[in-house]
Parts: sequence; C-alpha cells; structure tokens
Amino acid sequence: GNSVTQMEGPVTLSEEAFLTINCTYTATGYPSLFWYVQYPGEGLQLLLKATKADDKGSNKGFEATYRKETTSFHLEKGSVQVSDSAVYFCALSSGNTPLVFGKGTRLSVIA
Amino acid sequence: NAGVTQTPKFQVLKTGQSMTLQCAQDMNHNSMYWYRQDPGMGLRLIYYSASEGTTDKGEVPNGYNVSRLNKREFSLRLESAAPSQTSVYFCASSEASDFTDTQYFGPGTRLTVL
Repeated sequence: GNSVTQMEGPVTLSEEAFLTINCTYTATGYPSLFWYVQYPGEGLQLLLKATKADDKGSNKGFEATYRKETTSFHLEKGSVQVSDSAVYFCALSSGNTPLVFGKGTRLSVIA
Repeated sequence: NAGVTQTPKFQVLKTGQSMTLQCAQDMNHNSMYWYRQDPGMGLRLIYYSASEGTTDKGEVPNGYNVSRLNKREFSLRLESAAPSQTSVYFCASSEASDFTDTQYFGPGTRLTVL
C-alpha cells in the first residue's frame, strides 16, 4: 500500500537559516504529492503540491520537487522566518486512494 | 465565507457516553472527510463522503458512524466513547471527488474520553 516517511522532528532553526525536511514515499502507480502545514491551534492547509515526476511545487518561498527516481519530495526554504514555525506534513494520493499522511515534522524557528 | 467550521471546539466525555461532532462547509464542495490526529501518528482517515448521499469507510472507522446530512454538512457520531478515541478530530472538504484535489480543513475538535 501507499506510505509516506518523513524526517523525525522537532527541527529547530535560527531565523534566515536554510530548511530541508525530507520526505520519501512508497506508492503504486503515479501518485500526486503534497505538503500540508499546520500552524499552532489551526487545521491543516495546503502548502504546495506536484502531480507528476519532475514537477516543482512552490508557495510562500517553499519548494519541493517530485523525484520519481529517488521516490522523494523534500521540502526546502532558503531563509526561514519565525512565522514559519508549524508542523509540516508530507502526503500522497494515487487519485482513487485517500490521502496518506506522514507523521509530521515540527519546525521551530527562533529569532 | 467561513470555509469549514466544526463544533464543538473542545469536549470531555466519560467512557460509554455518546456525542456527535458537527461539520459544515460553505464552499459548495462535493467531498467531505473526517480525520483523527494523534501524537506521532499524522492524520488518519475515519470516513469520507465523495458526494451527497454517499459515505465510505477510511482507515480507522471502528467505533464511529457518519451522516452526510446535505451537501454542506457531514457529522461524526461516537455511539459509546472509549478512551482510545481521545484525539483531535478534523473535518475537511474538497471540490472534486478525486483525492488529489486540495482539501480544506476545519480548526478541529479536541476530544477527551475519561
């Protein structure tokens, strides 16, 4: 079945540091890949997505590239801000299968 | 435009009590979902409704029932609450029935079962 593995947290960074959160997946077929973000006390919201191999999703300075050869979708940001502190979830769906989420990675950015 | 709303925000139950979690969306979306979020577990799908009048089981449906009351509303019922159902519950909706469509989440209901 489909599954997502993302790096364990928590991750603590200083403001303006470079961020990478690793995500790898196992799936049948050609899944779509997502990053959702959960800010404190809120529900999840879509951060970015990619629907086919080599696609790059981007939003709010975050980027992730769909790498079929390494089955990965790592999240990156060049310069994090305190306001980026949140829990980040990698997820996938093969279209006719429900979203499968990773366990989440908590990011804390300190000034 | 409120998006996805959930009531209540917090609830404490005793083992064996019943309750219904309410969810409504004002985006005219076709599909609605119920998830639970437990520490270190990510989100797990309980039930979903691809369209008005249909419901299907997700990964963890045991102990729950759902009702798609109309296109806007999707409720989750716990008939006899158990401590294992202590969790944060999220409702979500999406425009299409395709699971790859963007899902919009409510703020969650934090449920404690004693």
